[in-house]
Amino acid sequence: EAGVAQSPRYKIIEKRQSVAFWCNPISGHATLYWYQQILGQGPKLLIQFQNNGVVDDSQLPKDRFSAERLKGVDSTLKIQPAKLEDSAVYLCASSLGTDHQETQYFGPGTRLLVL
Amino acid sequence: GQNIDQPTEMTATEGAIVQINCTYQTSGFNGLFWYQQHAGEAPTFLSYNVLDGLEEKGRFSSFLSRSKGYSYLLLKELQMKDSASYLCAVSNQGGKLIFGQGTELSVKP
Repeated sequence: EAGVAQSPRYKIIEKRQSVAFWCNPISGHATLYWYQQILGQGPKLLIQFQNNGVVDDSQLPKDRFSAERLKGVDSTLKIQPAKLEDSAVYLCASSLGTDHQETQYFGPGTRLLVL
Repeated sequence: GQNIDQPTEMTATEGAIVQINCTYQTSGFNGLFWYQQHAGEAPTFLSYNVLDGLEEKGRFSSFLSRSKGYSYLLLKELQMKDSASYLCAVSNQGGKLIFGQGTELSVKP
């Protein structure tokens, strides 16, 4: 079974530029998550999708971050404009449903450096 | 508020046993997960506890006490490849995971 795929793996941009990340979840997984992991910290949830609808985006900085999952499969996360503090690893995860005991499976992440 | 505490780093010797503790205070509790994360890689699932007690899975065991807001991950017969960050995460509602900062474990020969 293929895992969660993410691209690109690494990205370096200058502040105020825009960047987009792509995620393809495990086939059949209805729920998709985007996390931000700053160096030395645990992942922090940015947004959760159930199929193509948003379940939770309470911690997404909506003035600069946006995400979509138009067909309920792939998802993109965009930052526009980027700030220095956005330097982090952006992890995508997926699970079968939203049941509290569902295991989330993580992709390899996109490592973003904002200069 | 949501608060999950775990030690920042630990060191242990190859072949030994190590216990990584996690305490939590969250709004709602629907289970506790442990993940392993090697440097530069994605977190991978290790264990899930929702009832009090010990869950054993090979060299790894995880314990939960809901009344004390406490869990630990026990690693036996440590191997060099066990050097990694270990993340404690609580599921509060709707499958939302709240992660601790992670414990960086170094296994030395």
